[in-house]
Amino acid sequence: NAGVTQTPKFRILKIGQSMTLQCAQDMNHNYMYWYRQDPGMGLKLIYYSVGAGITDKGEVPNGYNVSRSTTEDFPLRLELAAPSQTSVYFCASSYSTGEDQPQHFGDGTRLSIL
Amino acid sequence: SQKIEQNSEALNIQEGKTATLTCNYTNYSPAYLQWYRQDPGRGPVFLLLIRENEKEKRKERLKVTFDTTLKQSLFHITASQPADSATYLCATGFQKLVFGTGTRLLVSP
Repeated sequence: NAGVTQTPKFRILKIGQSMTLQCAQDMNHNYMYWYRQDPGMGLKLIYYSVGAGITDKGEVPNGYNVSRSTTEDFPLRLELAAPSQTSVYFCASSYSTGEDQPQHFGDGTRLSIL
Repeated sequence: SQKIEQNSEALNIQEGKTATLTCNYTNYSPAYLQWYRQDPGRGPVFLLLIRENEKEKRKERLKVTFDTTLKQSLFHITASQPADSATYLCATGFQKLVFGTGTRLLVSP
């Protein structure tokens, strides 16, 4: 029972490099989310998806892109890495959306941009 | 959008005591509030959900209250144990959850 799986767990990038953070869930959830968590700042929503083929911006989308070709996968793309993108990235999923829907989180990707 | 405030200072208590954590919201009154636990190096894990018309919700040693007059939810852990040491987050929001910054709880033996 894997839940939400994120890869890689750690990564160091140089400024200007690109990478894709992978996220997969096996709970058949329609809704998926990407957050970043900085020390003392809480979780900030980057992008979310309400189903395959449908994505929308969250609070802090600049510098990121997403796609959702299947229900299971929701990759996050960084095109030109900047030091401000050093953070811990969490992917989450839920059956539906709203205040009454618990979200299930992966264990994060720790990304450093040097 | 909704704003969630949690005490950023760590709460240190002794084993066996009751820990009480506070979550305040500042805009509209939400219909639900959620509480999560986050251990170092791990993602948040859902613990409890409380509805607006529920004054109190319990799950084993956990208790959550919801006071719409004070715009506040309290999270209690009774008979606390060192294994309860973690950061606790509250969250709410229509369509998209807004999370508080969390309060770190340290339970000493």
